[in-house]
Amino acid sequence: AIRLTQSPSSLSASVGDRVTITCRASQDISNALAWYQHKPGIAPKLLIHSSSRLESGVPSRFSGSGSGADFTLTISSLQPEDFATYYCQQLNTYPRTFGQGTKVETK
Amino acid sequence: EVQLVQSGAEVKKSGEPLKISCKGSGYIFTSYWIGWVRQMPGKGLEWMGIIYPGDSETRYSPSFQGQVLVSADRSNNIAYLQWSRLRASDTAMYFCARQGPMKGGAFDIWGQGTMVTVSS
Repeated sequence: AIRLTQSPSSLSASVGDRVTITCRASQDISNALAWYQHKPGIAPKLLIHSSSRLESGVPSRFSGSGSGADFTLTISSLQPEDFATYYCQQLNTYPRTFGQGTKVETK
Repeated sequence: EVQLVQSGAEVKKSGEPLKISCKGSGYIFTSYWIGWVRQMPGKGLEWMGIIYPGDSETRYSPSFQGQVLVSADRSNNIAYLQWSRLRASDTAMYFCARQGPMKGGAFDIWGQGTMVTVSS
């Protein structure tokens, strides 16, 4: 199975900060990567698919980039509602594994 | 409105069987894969398996193959996840999610989750 490694595992940031999370795949997955936001007690929410395509309704401060094995999720200006855990998922091969998550906490 | 509604929380004992459900509405249920995702307490998301209700084709993660069964009732737009014998380590939140073909295969619609608690 393809392994996804996210870094960092957690980070502390303030409202207005630029936040960058990386996801590295154990093999080339082209652009077959999605990003999700997950808050406790509710279902995960799709933010980005196909590495860089923003899901409808998701604020434009979220962006994704990358191809091959290295990917990035960027939040350009962190908002209070953005404190959550973020997961990448590879969509190239079954099983469609997730990264271990990156928790974004308030500084 | 497109939605997936899951069955309620379950409290069971080790060794008991369990079947939880995920009902789709607002879209053509048989045309989209439905997957299951586990989140153990304090841990991350784990991809378990997936089914295409149109023909019941399934795929499993090796970690869950033989441990759970994914099925679907296409007449009633329901997907199921079941265990023949639960273990305490099955205690977790379980989410179903629709795989969107126009979203690169990402999970675009999610159920609200079903909490399963297994006591030993």
